[in-house]
Amino acid sequence: EVQLVESGGGLVHPGGSLRLSCAASGFNFRTYHMHWVRQAAGKGLEWVSAIGSADDTYYSGSVKGRFTISRENAKNSLYLQMNSLRDGDTAVYYCARGHTSTYSLDYWGQGTLVTVSS
Amino acid sequence: DIQLTQSPSSLSASVGDRVTITCRASQSISSYLNWYQQKPGKAPKLLLYGTSSLQSGVPSRFSGSGSGTDFTLTIASLQPEDFATYFCQQSYTNLRYTFGQGTKLEIK
Repeated sequence: EVQLVESGGGLVHPGGSLRLSCAASGFNFRTYHMHWVRQAAGKGLEWVSAIGSADDTYYSGSVKGRFTISRENAKNSLYLQMNSLRDGDTAVYYCARGHTSTYSLDYWGQGTLVTVSS
Repeated sequence: DIQLTQSPSSLSASVGDRVTITCRASQSISSYLNWYQQKPGKAPKLLLYGTSSLQSGVPSRFSGSGSGTDFTLTIASLQPEDFATYFCQQSYTNLRYTFGQGTKLEIK
């Protein structure tokens, strides 16, 4: 059974840093591209970042230069290092698996809440 | 960046109704369009991929069509469990995805 479990969310001050983790199981993690998607309270989904199976990385304009996505295949883990956090980064952050042939996001974690506030 | 615009933003309908939600892309995305359903407090769930292919386990009352810039999600006969928010998402631009703003489907 495919499972994605996020952790690392919490309360952080503006300008601070946080590292999110996503533990994957039930599939051959190294062969899939992985994504982070966020959702502010009462708002829609916002794609944040992705990493391919060859460690190629992609970012939305709103986080480029501040967030870094990475993966550790030996640990079946995905990470999101978030620096210079702003109020607007407050959201539930989901990790999601990218299907290798359909390019859809076919499995999602339950999300972890990041709150940026002074 | 490719923008996706969904319409309507919200919709009221009754059990048994046929409902259509539209997603328009700012440029052609071929058939690289996926649909998700999200219920309050839950993660999104993949419904359709590649415009019209049903994800495993999704009821056949859900269907999708379109190509290029205009796409639709149709629910043939609304069931009580279908009241949720629906999002379209494009996967045309390599791994740099975007989502529509969502359509909230409410009970009339």
